[in-house]
Amino acid sequence: DARVTQTPRHKVTEMGQEVTMRCQPILGHNTVFWYRQTMMQGLELLAYFRNRAPLDDSGMPKDRFSAEMPDATLATLKIQPSEPRDSAVYFCASGLVLGGGSRDIQYFGAGTRLSVL
Amino acid sequence: GQNIDQPTEMTATEGAIVQINCTYQTSGFNGLFWYQQHAGEAPTFLSYNVLDGLEEKGRFSSFLSRSKGYSYLLLKELQMKDSASYLCAVRVDNYGQNFVFGPGTRLSVLP
Repeated sequence: DARVTQTPRHKVTEMGQEVTMRCQPILGHNTVFWYRQTMMQGLELLAYFRNRAPLDDSGMPKDRFSAEMPDATLATLKIQPSEPRDSAVYFCASGLVLGGGSRDIQYFGAGTRLSVL
Repeated sequence: GQNIDQPTEMTATEGAIVQINCTYQTSGFNGLFWYQQHAGEAPTFLSYNVLDGLEEKGRFSSFLSRSKGYSYLLLKELQMKDSASYLCAVRVDNYGQNFVFGPGTRLSVLP
């Protein structure tokens, strides 16, 4: 049963510390997404990659957030330094994107629940 | 800007039918998706519309009117397990995968 795997599931850290979240997309998927979900803002797209290349990271605060995909089996989202307002659930999703108006389903991981104190 | 509206909460009875509406005003449109999210879990795909009309899939149907910027998700024969949040999402560009999600509608199904 193929699934998107995210680690860690929970992270509690102190303000100013570096946080790294990892995602293993479903094998064969060519697009990886990072989302952040809060009660106030809902689900927000932070960044996404196609064939490991970053396509859009306009939703991401550039000064402290960075997203990379060092290989096809690993995507990372890093926050340095972390702040209390970064507390949220961070979801990774992957999909096989065919382009155009195709029915490209995203498969979400279980998320990383981050609390910055 | 991008704007997607959904009712915040809805309540319905087991066995009934419920319609969850979604209106959108976005810079582009290349498909509308509905996702279900149970509390504390990840969103899962329910349905997709890119052309006007109704798409039916078992107990779930989704409708789209592009000229009105409007969609709805129809859930029939409600079950307790349908209690969840329902997220409407618009893909706003033609090549990439830039998605904008609505705030979600929390549905409670009562016995």
